[in-house]
Amino acid sequence: QSVLAQPPSVSGTPGQKVTISCSGSSSNIGSNAVTWFQQLPGAAPKLLIYTNNQRPSGVPDRFSGSKSATSASLAISGLQSEDEADYYCAAWDDSLSGPVFGGGTKLTVL
Amino acid sequence: EVQLVESGGNLVQPGGSLRLSCAASGFTFSTYSMNWVRQAPGKGLEWVSYISSTSRPILYADSVKGRFTISRDNAKNSLYLQMNSLSDEDTALYYCARDLGVPYNPAFDFWGRGTMVTVSS
Repeated sequence: QSVLAQPPSVSGTPGQKVTISCSGSSSNIGSNAVTWFQQLPGAAPKLLIYTNNQRPSGVPDRFSGSKSATSASLAISGLQSEDEADYYCAAWDDSLSGPVFGGGTKLTVL
Repeated sequence: EVQLVESGGNLVQPGGSLRLSCAASGFTFSTYSMNWVRQAPGKGLEWVSYISSTSRPILYADSVKGRFTISRDNAKNSLYLQMNSLSDEDTALYYCARDLGVPYNPAFDFWGRGTMVTVSS
C-alpha cells in the first residue's frame, strides 16, 4: 500500500489529453512539493515535473503538473504513442522524514 | 554527459550482506546530494536512502534503517550502499539517483540503469 494514491491505469488516444491524479495527506502533498517521474518500459525513471509544475530542460510542454491541497495531477496533452509508460508521483513526507512515492499509473495509448 | 553506473548486485542468501556501488561522471559529484531508490520486480518505486554532498545529513527509509548504510567517497566520485541482514523483501533493482538539491523535494534528476539484488536461498 503506497502512501500516495494513484489510479493503476489510464488510457487515451493519440492527440487526446489525459490526467493522472495523485492523492496524499497533510503530511506530504499538503505541505510539500510534488514530483512526477516517467518510466518507459525497461528503462530507468526520468524526472518529468518537480516542485509541482516545473519542467526540467528537454521535457516537452505537453506535460504539466498542478497541486491543490492534498492532491496533485499530471496532465499530458497531445498524447503520443511514445508517452506510453508508467508514471509516478512523489513528495516529501514530514511524518516519515523522507520521500514517498505513489504506486504508479500505467498509461496506455490506444 | 551525466552518467551514473551501479554495480555490485548479486544473488545472496537471506541474512547475507552486499555492497552496492554507483560510479558518477560528467558532473561535479562532490556538490550533489545522492539517493538510492529501489524497485521490486513488477512493483513501484521505493526510496531507500539519502546522503548530502558532505555526508551529513543521512536519511533512511524505515524499512532499511539499522540494516543499510549509505556512504560516499567524493575523491572517487562514488556512492555506496552497504546492505546487511538481507531478506527476500529486499529483492529489487537498486537505482542511484542524483538529487537536484531542492530541500524536502524528491527532484531526482538523473538515474542510473540500476543493479539487481536478489535475496533467495
